[in-house]
Amino acid sequence: ETGVTQSPTHLIKTRGQQVTLRCSSQSGHNTVSWYQQALGQGPQFIFQYYREEENGRGNFPPRFSGLQFPNYSSELNVNALELDDSALYLCASSLGQRDTNAGYTFGSGTRLTVV
Amino acid sequence: RKEVEQDPGPFNVPEGATVAFNCTYSNSASQSFFWYRQDCRKEPKLLMSVYSSGNEDGRFTAQLNRASQYISLLIRDSKLSDSATYLCVVGPGGGSYIPTFGRGTSLIVHP
Repeated sequence: ETGVTQSPTHLIKTRGQQVTLRCSSQSGHNTVSWYQQALGQGPQFIFQYYREEENGRGNFPPRFSGLQFPNYSSELNVNALELDDSALYLCASSLGQRDTNAGYTFGSGTRLTVV
Repeated sequence: RKEVEQDPGPFNVPEGATVAFNCTYSNSASQSFFWYRQDCRKEPKLLMSVYSSGNEDGRFTAQLNRASQYISLLIRDSKLSDSATYLCVVGPGGGSYIPTFGRGTSLIVHP
């Protein structure tokens, strides 16, 4: 069974640039959630996609946007990068938006540094 | 009040000790509860689900107290390899589909 894979693993960008992070969900999973984890903090929910539709959004500005593709892989796009966007970005997949009992499978994350 | 609150620690304990973490949550409609383990600079990994009746997995015991809205994790006979951050996760409820993570509790087990 293929797990959740994220790319790239590390990235350095300059303030004001744009970035795209990618996530391939675990085989059979149709829901992808993105989280931002700053150093010393818990993961903060950005948004979730279920069957290519945004299914919920956390307290993040519109410059954070996403997509989910027919194969359930997903992208997170961040425009106009700010220094505070430096964090570990985690993608988690699950089976169904209401699958509340199985927990999440996370990818290993993309560590973004904005300079 | 934050949705999910944890004492960040660190909890610094010797090998063999028993240590317990608590996590409080604010949404009384929450339906599912988990503990995740996160090693330094790695992704969180599911440690165990927390059931109403409580559950045990080897040295780890998780319990849920709905009346007081907290969950707990007990680790017996701590090993050096237990050193990590333990994240409390409270699942959806009341119409939300999105689980919420606590900030984590850091555990350091020393020889």
